[in-house]
Amino acid sequence: DVKVTQSSRYLVKRTGEKVFLECVQDMDHENMFWYRQDPGLGLRLIYFSYDVKMKEKGDIPEGYSVSREKKERFSLILESASTNQTSMYLCASRVRSSYNSPLHFGNGTRLTVT
Amino acid sequence: QQQVKQSPQSLIVQKGGIPIINCAYENTAFDYFPWYQQFPGKGPALLIAIRPDVSEKKEGRFTISFNKSAKQFSLHIMDSQPGDSATYFCAASTRSDMRFGAGTRLTVKP
Repeated sequence: DVKVTQSSRYLVKRTGEKVFLECVQDMDHENMFWYRQDPGLGLRLIYFSYDVKMKEKGDIPEGYSVSREKKERFSLILESASTNQTSMYLCASRVRSSYNSPLHFGNGTRLTVT
Repeated sequence: QQQVKQSPQSLIVQKGGIPIINCAYENTAFDYFPWYQQFPGKGPALLIAIRPDVSEKKEGRFTISFNKSAKQFSLHIMDSQPGDSATYFCAASTRSDMRFGAGTRLTVKP
């Protein structure tokens, strides 16, 4: 079974702090994704990466950056955390080669910015 | 800005009922349409998916209906059970990215 592991389940940070959310997958997947989940808004794509050192902006990249130095690890960075970034963050991965491959999600990191 | 529109936002049915969740999209580059199920405290998990060259797909009690010309698709849950109570997301995908609807919170009452 594919395992996508997010480093923290809950995180509390202060406004203005730099925040790192880490995600690791163990199945050699090329594609990795970061979404945020908010009630009534569903899952919104922040950034995705289709290979090492490659990244693409999703629908809501403002205030975020990402890093993919190794295939198995995809990091989401909040350069200067703000209260409107309080949310559930979900990481996912999938195989690129098959167009109908499903996403495999981690269990999420609930971030609170105070 | 939402590329996939999903309705309703919430749905309550009695056990044995047939909840229907609808989704619509605009981007014709999407070529894979999965549905995900999410229980509290967990990440979403793939439930069922369809390709645009197929009009219907059934897996157990779950059926996707797909209308390519209308750019709409829907999920039907036959003989719904309390254990089906969860949040359901439709999605649309290309080879590189995947976009989700806003989600439907389904409650199946015993």
